[in-house]
Amino acid sequence: GAVVSQHPSWVICKSGTSVKIECRSLDFQATTMFWYRQFPKQSLMLMATSNEGSKATYEQGVEKDKFLINHASLTLSTLTVTSAHPEDSSFYICSAPGQNYGYTFGSGTRLTVV
Amino acid sequence: DQQVKQNSPSLSVQEGRISILNCDYTNSMFDYFLWYKKYPAEGPTFLISISSIKDKNEDGRFTVFLNKSAKHLSLHIVPSQPGDSAVYFCAARGGADGLTFGKGTHLIIQP
Repeated sequence: GAVVSQHPSWVICKSGTSVKIECRSLDFQATTMFWYRQFPKQSLMLMATSNEGSKATYEQGVEKDKFLINHASLTLSTLTVTSAHPEDSSFYICSAPGQNYGYTFGSGTRLTVV
Repeated sequence: DQQVKQNSPSLSVQEGRISILNCDYTNSMFDYFLWYKKYPAEGPTFLISISSIKDKNEDGRFTVFLNKSAKHLSLHIVPSQPGDSAVYFCAARGGADGLTFGKGTHLIIQP
């Protein structure tokens, strides 16, 4: 079945630094990748949608300059958290539309900013 | 405004019995509903889905029921097994956007 590989699975970084999260579709082409964020005991919230070859679309309240999304190819989408701060600490997950209306999720990235 | 609601943060069910997880939604434009199972620090795993034109979909131990007039869907798991213990998310799709998730229900299967 469709697999989305997400790396890293966890990362700890210092406040003010940038972190890049990668999502690769391994056995299918993902023209669209959704990026979600989940805070503890909260739902997964859609942050942005990346489309191969065009600019990402961001949900209301999500800072474009802070969360840089690049969909460089049909198999790779990246999310870069720039100038990270402790309040950016969260669980980030990517997802690509799969077959039969199923959405395939990556394994998630636990970001901790100290 | 939460468009997808799971009002039970947790649910405890005895092994072998039926688990019923509920979900309500407000947006009548949603055309597809999905249930995901999630373990801590992992991505959600797709369980079962239902189109808005249907009222029931069954896959093994999992059955999803949709009541469009009430804007309500439920996931039935029978019989419940210890491995079913996880957080279950109800999700809805509207058009080409990403999914809208509920807050999840933590299902605990007791031996």
